Amino acid sequence: DAGVIQSPRHEVTEMGQEVTLRCKPISGHDYLFWYRQTMMRGLELLIYFNNNVPIDDSGMPEDRFSAKMPNASFSTLKIQPSEPRDSAVYFCASSNHRAGGGETQYFGPGTRLLVL
Amino acid sequence: AQSVAQPEDQVNVAEGNPLTVKCTYSVSGNPYLFWYVQYPNRGLQFLLKYITGDNLVKGSYGFEAEFNKSQTSFHLKKPSALVSDSALYFCAVREEELTGGGNKLTFGTGTQLKVEL
Repeated sequence: DAGVIQSPRHEVTEMGQEVTLRCKPISGHDYLFWYRQTMMRGLELLIYFNNNVPIDDSGMPEDRFSAKMPNASFSTLKIQPSEPRDSAVYFCASSNHRAGGGETQYFGPGTRLLVL
Repeated sequence: AQSVAQPEDQVNVAEGNPLTVKCTYSVSGNPYLFWYVQYPNRGLQFLLKYITGDNLVKGSYGFEAEFNKSQTSFHLKKPSALVSDSALYFCAVREEELTGGGNKLTFGTGTQLKVEL
């Protein structure tokens, strides 16, 4: 399997622009997670989906952030408008549920976002 | 609520010496515990996990971790460190799912391991 695929790997944009990050989970996985990593705040869970349905978006910073999962093999995280404080590495992860929990999350390589 | 603590921001060890990266956790019920490693400019890679059974869990690259319920700890260990082990290590916990729903892993702040010649 190719693992979790994210694009782009790097994104540089100017403040106020729309940014769209993309993720393809591992085939057959039914959970998808979006994380953000910064030096100041560490690794934060933004939102996660189960069977394409958003389950918990309590980590989404504000209304400028939105995430969708139109099908089992694709998800997007959009920031509109972007701000310099959104600069971070954004990770997508996926997992395959097992009874009782304990499933492993597999991470993509991340998208390094810089907002100027 | 579940939480995890990694008390050391950085651990330094000489190559060939044993290494330990500490992790303690807090959950209401039974814990599921994970270790991940992150190399520079890469995503997190799964190393090992404890679900149930033997308290000593063996994982990738010669790493192992010991689940200690009384001390609520899950320290990562390796008998002989390599320079290539230098990376950022994350401990994570989630509570055993009893009623369904919810799948959040809580990650620690990470420990930077530096192995020197």
